[in-house]
Amino acid sequence: LAKTTQPISMDSYEGQEVNITCSHNNIATNDYITWYQQFPSQGPRFIIQGYKTKVTNEVASLFIPADRKSSTLSLPRVSLSDTAVYYCLVGDNGGATNKLIFGTGTLLAVQP
Amino acid sequence: GAGVSQSPRYKVTKRGQDVALRCDPISGHVSLYWYRQALGQGPEFLTYFNYEAQQDKSGLPNDRFSAERPEGSISTLTIQRTEQRDSAMYRCASSPSEGPTSYEQYFGPGTRLTVT
Repeated sequence: LAKTTQPISMDSYEGQEVNITCSHNNIATNDYITWYQQFPSQGPRFIIQGYKTKVTNEVASLFIPADRKSSTLSLPRVSLSDTAVYYCLVGDNGGATNKLIFGTGTLLAVQP
Repeated sequence: GAGVSQSPRYKVTKRGQDVALRCDPISGHVSLYWYRQALGQGPEFLTYFNYEAQQDKSGLPNDRFSAERPEGSISTLTIQRTEQRDSAMYRCASSPSEGPTSYEQYFGPGTRLTVT
């Protein structure tokens, strides 16, 4: 069964770059690794996904090493509105199942 | 355009009753996912569909939980003989891609289920 680990919380200041890492072993070989942002009382919101190496979009970058046992979400120049919980999402390499597993979540607190 | 909608938004039921939770995905989205989320925790996968076919139900806690998506659009998650431990936020998500390879999912507002 796939297992994920994320830091419980992180603190940052406006304008800084923030890197959040998710460790995930035994994940599905052919599936993407995806990251979501969640604000209180809302559903998760898609940020970025990747399979290997580095992916960048208008809001974030995602770094995935060759062994795919971890992934790092990078948020450049965070603002107060980036205060939220961030989750990684992976597929379980459980043989016959296609189960999806959200990470434990990292609460990012951005201060002025 | 319209996002994922779920109904009811809040449901209070007595222990032992059956409940049906509805999810209306974004038009044209082929895959649909069900999760439940306890307060302060990440979403817990329950099941998902590609079109009308249920692809995986390994996350359903027990046989009191079932889901269907008969025409490949609206889906219903049914919980029979509810128990207090079923109380949670139930979230639905849809994706334009077939699961599970691509996980760009769009989530609905959720249904808050309280079993008394």
